[in-house]
Amino acid sequence: RKEVEQDPGPFNVPEGATVAFNCTYSNSASQSFFWYRQDCRKEPKLLMSVYSSGNEDGRFTAQLNRASQYISLLIRDSKLSDSATYLCAVINDYKLSFGAGTTVTVRA
Amino acid sequence: DVKVTQSSRYLVKRTGEKVFLECVQDMDHENMFWYRQDPGLGLRLIYFSYDVKMKEKGDIPEGYSVSREKKERFSLILESASTNQTSMYLCASSLGGAGAREKLFFGSGTQLSVL
Repeated sequence: RKEVEQDPGPFNVPEGATVAFNCTYSNSASQSFFWYRQDCRKEPKLLMSVYSSGNEDGRFTAQLNRASQYISLLIRDSKLSDSATYLCAVINDYKLSFGAGTTVTVRA
Repeated sequence: DVKVTQSSRYLVKRTGEKVFLECVQDMDHENMFWYRQDPGLGLRLIYFSYDVKMKEKGDIPEGYSVSREKKERFSLILESASTNQTSMYLCASSLGGAGAREKLFFGSGTQLSVL
């Protein structure tokens, strides 16, 4: 079983819609969690950290469910510029493991 | 802003060649990492280093070695390139502690093709 798994998508949504997707992790001792954003042919960039209590950054909300071992990302009021691949990342033993990414395409 | 610079954006090599991928960061970060990214597999950790002359194997170290002679520079070496090493290689760095504890900054990647 992979350490970190994501639904690859693609999620095709109209502008203004809400889109949400999850990422599951296999190691219950995982220490920290992140969402990265990767645009086509670009490097990943940190979107947000995921805290136990959940956190929000503008239109983006991240949540952690330790009992079920998944993290989620919700994007409200989608913009065309939100089109990207979203990678979840989990720290185990001081190594950052990534999921394969979920592709989101926002259409006009 | 942190800058992580990879020496080449595109590289084409022949099977059996020795290949060096160079990475330099300018923010005095302790930790440096090499990942490869393949479609459907995501990013996989090859090697990382949390101090000068220190290195740790990641999840897929076979066929690779690394060198960290100076804090700012972390080199990935393919001793004898093979076609299955054709991939996008991403270097990253992070601030401190033994390994990844926080935000990683990535270079723009090197697309390596081995023919």
